[in-house]
Amino acid sequence: DTGVSQDPRHKITKRGQNVTFRCDPISEHNRLYWYRQTLGQGPEFLTYFQNEAQLEKSRLLSDRFSAERPKGSFSTLEIQRTEQGDSAMYLCASGPAGTGGNNSPLHFGNGTRLTVT
Amino acid sequence: QQPVQSPQAVILREGEDAVINCSSSKALYSVHWYRQKHGEAPVFLMILLKGGEQKGHEKISASFNEKKQQSSLYLTASQLSYSGTYFCGTVWQYNTDKLIFGTGTRLQVFP
Repeated sequence: DTGVSQDPRHKITKRGQNVTFRCDPISEHNRLYWYRQTLGQGPEFLTYFQNEAQLEKSRLLSDRFSAERPKGSFSTLEIQRTEQGDSAMYLCASGPAGTGGNNSPLHFGNGTRLTVT
Repeated sequence: QQPVQSPQAVILREGEDAVINCSSSKALYSVHWYRQKHGEAPVFLMILLKGGEQKGHEKISASFNEKKQQSSLYLTASQLSYSGTYFCGTVWQYNTDKLIFGTGTRLQVFP
């Protein structure tokens, strides 16, 4: 168990550029989540996958944000035409298959800190 | 729809007790509790399921009141290592794994 890995750890980009982040979950976990967190706030739900299927997503992912998990293993989160308000920590978490109602713990990665200048 | 936590912040001396509450406007199926230290990822503490019993380990325990749509986290005889921000995460239905985190409670324990 090597934990959840996220890359890069930090990303500085100029407004209007596109960025892509990667998350490698714990290998036997079939659930994968993306959250966004700003200073002093709780993690904000973006989307989650069960295997390769994207089951739920927030309104944010209907616009400039998109996420994929093509083979049910690693996932990518892309932000197009970045804005200064996108500056935040982007957290990925994974969890084992549950029996419904999210009854097993999530393991978080250390996040990717995005700064949009 | 985000669960509301209270208090927003707590300051304790070592050995003192604290209670953190998490309230939802919707009926809950399960509640998670996580602790996040500054600059680190959230770390899982425990899960409470609808109809389940109070859970805990060592000096941290939690309860789940289905009627009040509320969960409480109890920290007894606090230690310096308990410092951090505590988040509850809520799941509203059996047939979803969508976890929504609360507003957070910052806990500081001093010697």
